[in-house]
Amino acid sequence: GDSVTQMEGPVTLSEEAFLTINCTYTATGYPSLFWYVQYPGEGLQLLLKATKADDKGSNKGFEATYRKETTSFHLEKGSVQVSDSAVYFCALSVSQAGTALIFGKGTTLSVSS
Amino acid sequence: DAGVIQSPRHEVTEMGQEVTLRCKPISGHNSLFWYRQTMMRGLELLIYFNNNVPIDDSGMPEDRFSAKMPNASFSTLKIQPSEPRDSAVYFCASTKSGPNQPQHFGDGTRLSIL
Repeated sequence: GDSVTQMEGPVTLSEEAFLTINCTYTATGYPSLFWYVQYPGEGLQLLLKATKADDKGSNKGFEATYRKETTSFHLEKGSVQVSDSAVYFCALSVSQAGTALIFGKGTTLSVSS
Repeated sequence: DAGVIQSPRHEVTEMGQEVTLRCKPISGHNSLFWYRQTMMRGLELLIYFNNNVPIDDSGMPEDRFSAKMPNASFSTLKIQPSEPRDSAVYFCASTKSGPNQPQHFGDGTRLSIL
């Protein structure tokens, strides 16, 4: 079945370091791909999305490129801040009629000053 | 615009009691989702509705769990009787129908069953 695999955390970085969180997927159709972020005590928020191969989603300095050949959607940021500390979820949506998402297990990012 | 509103934010109760979680989706959204989040199992989809109709409830763990959506602006998730292993954060999310629509999450209900 369809699934999402994320790198396990926690990821611990110093402020201004480069961030990569790996995400790969398995899907029978042509999925849309998403990154969500969850700050402590809050629900998930959409960070960025890409709907077709080679699309690049970007927001708040984060980027991810939809790579169909490697079935990947890795999240990157050139210079992280303490305020980026959160849990990051990769997700996919295959269904065109419904909108159920399949989430990865989440990767905790901790950034220290 | 108001986001997805969940209540209560926190619930502590003794095992065996009935628990009812509530959700008000964003106006105009016609898909609604209930998730459960725990450290062990991560984020699990319990059930989702399109236009108030349950589409997939395969994630509901047992018959003790039930969900309803009597109208487009309200949904409940009920656990009866509750057990300690039901302790988790329960999220509600809503979205517009159609491809590539992002889900909008509420802040969750943190449930503790003693």
